[in-house]
Amino acid sequence: DAGVIQSPRHEVTEMGQEVTLRCKPISGHNSLFWYRQTMMRGLELLIYFNNNVPIDDSGMPEDRFSAKMPNASFSTLKIQPSEPRDSAVYFCASRGTGGNTEAFFGQGTRLTVV
Amino acid sequence: GQSLEQPSEVTAVEGAIVQINCTYQTSGFYGLSWYQQHDGGAPTFLSYNALDGLEETGRFSSFLSRSDSYGYLLLQELQMKDSASYFCAVDQGGKLIFGQGTELSVKP
Repeated sequence: DAGVIQSPRHEVTEMGQEVTLRCKPISGHNSLFWYRQTMMRGLELLIYFNNNVPIDDSGMPEDRFSAKMPNASFSTLKIQPSEPRDSAVYFCASRGTGGNTEAFFGQGTRLTVV
Repeated sequence: GQSLEQPSEVTAVEGAIVQINCTYQTSGFYGLSWYQQHDGGAPTFLSYNALDGLEETGRFSSFLSRSDSYGYLLLQELQMKDSASYFCAVDQGGKLIFGQGTELSVKP
């Protein structure tokens, strides 16, 4: 398996534009996480899916953020409209079942909103 | 609510031993994980403790005391390549919550 795949790796956009981040989890994993990482706030959990269903979205900062997981092999995180304070590295991670404790992270998307 | 506390930075010399502590307050606890992240990279898994005690994996060991809501990561025979950020993470039964991370600098 190629691991968790995120795209794009880098995104620069203007304030007010819509941004869509994409994630392909490891095949067979049933849990998917979206995290945001900044120097000030560390690694924050935004949303957590289990079997494609959003279980906890309490970390989603505001209504401008939305996430979907239409099937087991794809998830998106959308920001509309984007703001400069959204600039961060966004990580997607997936995890298996049956006592499998390791979460595998993608390489992240570095988002810059100017 | 939930919180995880770990030191923001630690410095040590090559060949030394360093311990990174983590205390947590959380509703629902299944285990404590440790992850390593090099600059510009993704976090990678090091260890997981579900039960009290010490887990050893090569130069790295991790300890958990559930009654004290406390754990630590022990790194032995430090190498320059161990310079990285180290995160503890609480498993709340599927959901993973990370601490702020400890930046470890290994000096020659």
